[in-house]
Amino acid sequence: AQSVTQLDSQVPVFEEAPVELRCNYSSSVSVYLFWYVQYPNQGLQLLLKYLSGSTLVESINGFEAEFNKSQTSFHLRKPSVHISDTAEYFCAVRSTNAGKSTFGDGTTLTVKP
Amino acid sequence: GAGVSQSPSNKVTEKGKDVELRCDPISGHTALYWYRQSLGQGLEFLIYFQGNSAPDKSGLPSDRFSAERTGGSVSTLTIQRTQQEDSAVYLCASSLQAGDTEAFFGQGTRLTVV
Repeated sequence: AQSVTQLDSQVPVFEEAPVELRCNYSSSVSVYLFWYVQYPNQGLQLLLKYLSGSTLVESINGFEAEFNKSQTSFHLRKPSVHISDTAEYFCAVRSTNAGKSTFGDGTTLTVKP
Repeated sequence: GAGVSQSPSNKVTEKGKDVELRCDPISGHTALYWYRQSLGQGLEFLIYFQGNSAPDKSGLPSDRFSAERTGGSVSTLTIQRTQQEDSAVYLCASSLQAGDTEAFFGQGTRLTVV
């Protein structure tokens, strides 16, 4: 079984400031790791994923996440946020041999002008 | 359509009534998932279909919940004798195959039990 803990339920930040959304997981088996984003009034979209190889993965809109196996973490970062990044962000894990994913409770990122 | 389609988008029902929620996955996707998102909480896994294999029902919260997938495509989630705690957004997702690492989500059905 797996579990995911997103340590911050709400993260308010000013535009152009850096941000980190924290995610810790637990699992007894190998996992894939994901960040999904849900913009207001929209469905969930995959933001980025870690499958194997380089522990640093990036999205097309400037977010990055680093897989840290020893700390069982997959924190999401962006060096400079925009108003349009305001959304709810979900961290998820999935066993490498099973189809269903386990999600965290989500972090609401609010970017203020 | 190009994406996962769910209907209805909103459903208000009286306590004790049965409801059916529909999901049309992306054409050709063999894996289909149902999740539930309660207010302020993450996504709770309900059930997972993969091709012709027996579904993984381990997340269904009670025997009032059931789901089927006809012809390997459209899926229906049925909740019998609805309760107020069933109020949530029910999300459907599909992926090309079970091992595929990207699942595409629908917009969800917001169920309100009054």
